[in-house]
Amino acid sequence: GIQVEQSPPDLILQEGANSTLRCNFSDSVNNLQWFHQNPWGQLINLFYIPSGTKQNGRLSATTVATERYSLLYISSSQTTDSGVYFCAGGNNNDMRFGAGTRLTVKP
Amino acid sequence: GAVVSQHPSRVICKSGTSVKIECRSLDFQATTMFWYRQFPKKSLMLMATSNEGSKATYEQGVEKDKFLINHASLTLSTLTVTSAHPEDSSFYICSAEAPTGTYEQYFGPGTRLTVT
Repeated sequence: GIQVEQSPPDLILQEGANSTLRCNFSDSVNNLQWFHQNPWGQLINLFYIPSGTKQNGRLSATTVATERYSLLYISSSQTTDSGVYFCAGGNNNDMRFGAGTRLTVKP
Repeated sequence: GAVVSQHPSRVICKSGTSVKIECRSLDFQATTMFWYRQFPKKSLMLMATSNEGSKATYEQGVEKDKFLINHASLTLSTLTVTSAHPEDSSFYICSAEAPTGTYEQYFGPGTRLTVT
């Protein structure tokens, strides 16, 4: 099955800094999502982005499907951005998760 | 839109008993739902894919007789952990495929199961 690698595993930022999270896939995918898992375990949908670029406020994402990777950009980070960010993807509805990036934003 | 609920949010049960977890799509119909398991500080692992009106498809290594899945309606899937043991303690999360013609999934808030 599809292997999903996320980097970095951990990231510590000062409030206001920008960051880039990466997700690599072992094979091509037609289904790709980015999530933020809050401290209570709820997965919040950030982007559904099998290809192209999308933006939502301070967050944006780009997927280069031909090169099998996706990037999540967080600008002007806030303490409330802290948590674990997961990417997940696969073919059709068979979606596999990466190991996540644990982001800590310090005031 | 695309809200998914789970009940209960937290459950403690004794070893040997069975526990049922419900997953509901509140404002849309979901032909396909999914069950995941997450250990502390780990990623989500797909357990099974549940299709309305048919048998679930289990991932390799997941015991179908232990984790019974029923998807009897377009808004409800249930996961029953039978004869639970302490090693079944985990965070169980369901999701539903969005009715948008894409493969986007929306997730429930999860159920934390502790088996004593």
